[in-house]
Amino acid sequence: AQSVTQLGSHVSVSEGALVLLRCNYSSSVPPYLFWYVQYPNQGLQLLLKYTSAATLVKGINGFEAEFKKSETSFHLTKPSAHMSDAAEYFCAVSEGSGYSTLTFGKGTMLLVSP
Amino acid sequence: AAGVIQSPRHLIKEKRETATLKCYPIPRHDTVYWYQQGPGQDPQFLISFYEKMQSDKGSIPDRFSAQQFSDYHSELNMSSLELGDSALYFCASSAPGQGGAIAGYTFGSGTRLTVV
Repeated sequence: AQSVTQLGSHVSVSEGALVLLRCNYSSSVPPYLFWYVQYPNQGLQLLLKYTSAATLVKGINGFEAEFKKSETSFHLTKPSAHMSDAAEYFCAVSEGSGYSTLTFGKGTMLLVSP
Repeated sequence: AAGVIQSPRHLIKEKRETATLKCYPIPRHDTVYWYQQGPGQDPQFLISFYEKMQSDKGSIPDRFSAQQFSDYHSELNMSSLELGDSALYFCASSAPGQGGAIAGYTFGSGTRLTVV
């Protein structure tokens, strides 16, 4: 069975600081990994995805994530936080077959202070 | 670009009532997924349909049913509503051949159901 663990339900950074949101996965097969962002009262927007190509994945809004098989991790980073980055971030895993579903982590709320 | 459309955006029902949520996928998308997100929770997979047939089933209660119609829109029917059914219900769709989750399918904005 697949699962995702996001470390820290809340992460606070100052504007301009590095953003690091942690995600560790468990999967019985090579995983496909995703990061989604959710703004208040809105749907889930895909930030980036890892589907077994390059281990360093670049997404929208300056975010990127690195797949590290040895650490079973897929941490999300952004060099410089912006106020508009304040939202909830979900890491998700899929076993990648056909029309398989997503298993989400519990989410991390990113708070950005001026 | 067209997105996944869900209706209604908000719905308030009383306990033991029924509710129907609708999802209109992106044109030419043939697969629909339903997720439930409780307050402060992560989204949980309920059920999915591919070409109008149920393709996968998650933690959907027996009180709920869903189907996909010939125009590919989907409806989630919820009966004997309970307070614990209050949640944000998301629909997502994916295109043929894109392997569903691998493509990072597109989510709608959700229907917020409140049961009182």
